[in-house]
Amino acid sequence: EIVMTQSPATLSVSPGERAALSCRASQSVGSDLAWFQQKPGQAPRLLMYDASTRATGIPVRFGGSGSGKEFTLTISSLQSEDFAVYYCQQYNDWPRTFGQGTKLEIK
Amino acid sequence: QVQLVESGGGLVKPGGSLRLSCAASGFTFSDYYMNWVRQAPGKGLEWISFISTTKSTTYYADSVKGRFTISRDNAKNSLYLQMDSLRAEDTAVYYCARRSSLDSWGQGTLVSVSS
Repeated sequence: EIVMTQSPATLSVSPGERAALSCRASQSVGSDLAWFQQKPGQAPRLLMYDASTRATGIPVRFGGSGSGKEFTLTISSLQSEDFAVYYCQQYNDWPRTFGQGTKLEIK
Repeated sequence: QVQLVESGGGLVKPGGSLRLSCAASGFTFSDYYMNWVRQAPGKGLEWISFISTTKSTTYYADSVKGRFTISRDNAKNSLYLQMDSLRAEDTAVYYCARRSSLDSWGQGTLVSVSS
């Protein structure tokens, strides 16, 4: 099974600043990588797929990069609604696997 | 708009069974792969099962293999998860999600396994 490791576990950033979240795969997943945002009491929401393609309706301040084993989700100029938990997930191989999540909190 | 609505959750004793449903609308259900994903209380996301459009291919996480069965009825625009031999560690919110990229999710249904 492909193990997805996210870092850091918690990231404290001030509104208006930039955040970079990391996701590492135990083996190459090509570009078959998605990012999700989850707020308390809500279902996850797809932000990025194919590592760098924004999902429908996702603001341009969200960006994804990377391929192979190393990926980054970047949020430029953080808004109040961006503070949430973020998960990466690979869909290159079975079983599909998620990272353990990064909590983005207000500094 | 795309809508996925799960139902069928509840409280069940260890060793019991439950059948979850996911009603789809707003898109051509038969054209899309579907998945079940769960989230234990306070924990992260766990993918548990996949089914292809024609039902010919299914996959399961090791944690549920042999106990859970995914199915779909394209005529009824519905996805199902039959859960047997339930354990305490199966307690979670269960979500259905569309496509390999999980581009749309339902609101989830809570399954609690406890004596």
